[in-house]
Amino acid sequence: GQQLNQSPQSMFIQEGEDVSMNCTSSSIFNTWLWYKQEPGEGPVLLIALYKAGELTSNGRLTAQFGITRKDSFLNISASIPSDVGIYFCAGQLGETSGSRLTFGEGTQLTVNP
Amino acid sequence: DAMVIQNPRYQVTQFGKPVTLSCSQTLNHNVMYWYQQKSSQAPKLLFHYYDKDFNNEADTPDNFQSRRPNTSFCFLDIRSPGLGDAAMYLCATSRGYPYGYTFGSGTRLTVV
Repeated sequence: GQQLNQSPQSMFIQEGEDVSMNCTSSSIFNTWLWYKQEPGEGPVLLIALYKAGELTSNGRLTAQFGITRKDSFLNISASIPSDVGIYFCAGQLGETSGSRLTFGEGTQLTVNP
Repeated sequence: DAMVIQNPRYQVTQFGKPVTLSCSQTLNHNVMYWYQQKSSQAPKLLFHYYDKDFNNEADTPDNFQSRRPNTSFCFLDIRSPGLGDAAMYLCATSRGYPYGYTFGSGTRLTVV
């Protein structure tokens, strides 16, 4: 099946720094989504991207759907301690595949105050 | 608030003793999913229901079963839990493509 390569695996940053993480795939997706998961909780949707080249912001978060449809990145600007968590990218092919999500392995973000 | 609710949040079961995890939703979404997530790994899809149609992933062990008696509820049954089945189990719902999922808070299963 399709696989997503997400990097980096973990990041340790100082409060106020900007963060960038990305996902690549060997095959195309029609939708890219970014989720954040905090300890003991389910993933929460941050940003959804539906068109190649699309750039979308949600507060301090910005994500882009790669032109080739095989990659996406997420940027977090001016990080704060509550940004701590695991960030997952996810690709979605379409209705014929049951709308299933394929997840990346996650980026563990630690923010030092 | 409309949401996805999983019960219980924490479940301890004995090795080999059947256990059932439950999920309910007030979103009226027609698709419901069960994912297994082990220690900070990516969630792994076990199966999903599109309305009443059940779709099993090819690599989901036979030990795992699911029931969806109505739109609002979905159950995950583990017939004979092994130590390797200890994980977070996540329920999610969706209106279908291209909409994203709404996840519940998960059930942390411990097998002793």
